[in-house]
Amino acid sequence: QSVLTQPPSMSGAPGQRVTISCTGSSSNIGAGYDVHWYQQLPRTAPRLLIYGNNNRPSGVPDRFSGSKSGTSASLAITGLQAEDEVDYYCLSYDSSLTGWVFGGGTKLTVL
Amino acid sequence: EVQLVQSGAEVKKPGESLKISCKGSGYRFSNYWIAWVRQMPGKGLEWMGIIYPGDSDTRYSPPFQGQVTISADKSNSTTYLEWSSLKASDTAIYYCVRQEVLSTIYGDVEYFDNWGQGTLVTVSS
Repeated sequence: QSVLTQPPSMSGAPGQRVTISCTGSSSNIGAGYDVHWYQQLPRTAPRLLIYGNNNRPSGVPDRFSGSKSGTSASLAITGLQAEDEVDYYCLSYDSSLTGWVFGGGTKLTVL
Repeated sequence: EVQLVQSGAEVKKPGESLKISCKGSGYRFSNYWIAWVRQMPGKGLEWMGIIYPGDSDTRYSPPFQGQVTISADKSNSTTYLEWSSLKASDTAIYYCVRQEVLSTIYGDVEYFDNWGQGTLVTVSS
């Protein structure tokens, strides 16, 4: 059980907007540590989607955006496409563990 | 171009030892932290630990402390993940990834980017 909680699964219709949450605590997100988001296609290494809470690396479509508030963070995906149907993970630093932690991951289904 | 290239898939028996590698190129290897990440079959990502090749400063996530050894050979631009006695539960894909640091007016932003391709370790009798 990760210290960062994500919904195991979410779904949305093509063109819709979905928001994936990442809930932490006062020792990680709530302590002010940045949250980063990764996308993972089957049988491939994760890809950086959002860094520093709300920054997109070059090459990442602006359909993807991140935000952070209090002890939680969110990844929003607008204009949902079939290719978005993969796994998403949040990552942050935890001062109690003195190390980095991933969320449990969210499998997104495009209906 | 920054690249992390990992060693090939391994099939081992319980109790055997193993050392897998991650070789960096295209940048000053000693100056960037490298982390190792585990992904068990059908499961999520788990951060195992991190090493600074410049001085071999190493940190472990509590579940992995004492279970694995992370090391580095900066002369060879390579980091290693090692087991002394494998268990079936060590079956997983292991990734190495470089830590990036972006300096902003608000402070440094640390994150991970530039992943190795992954090494599949299968432990079975």
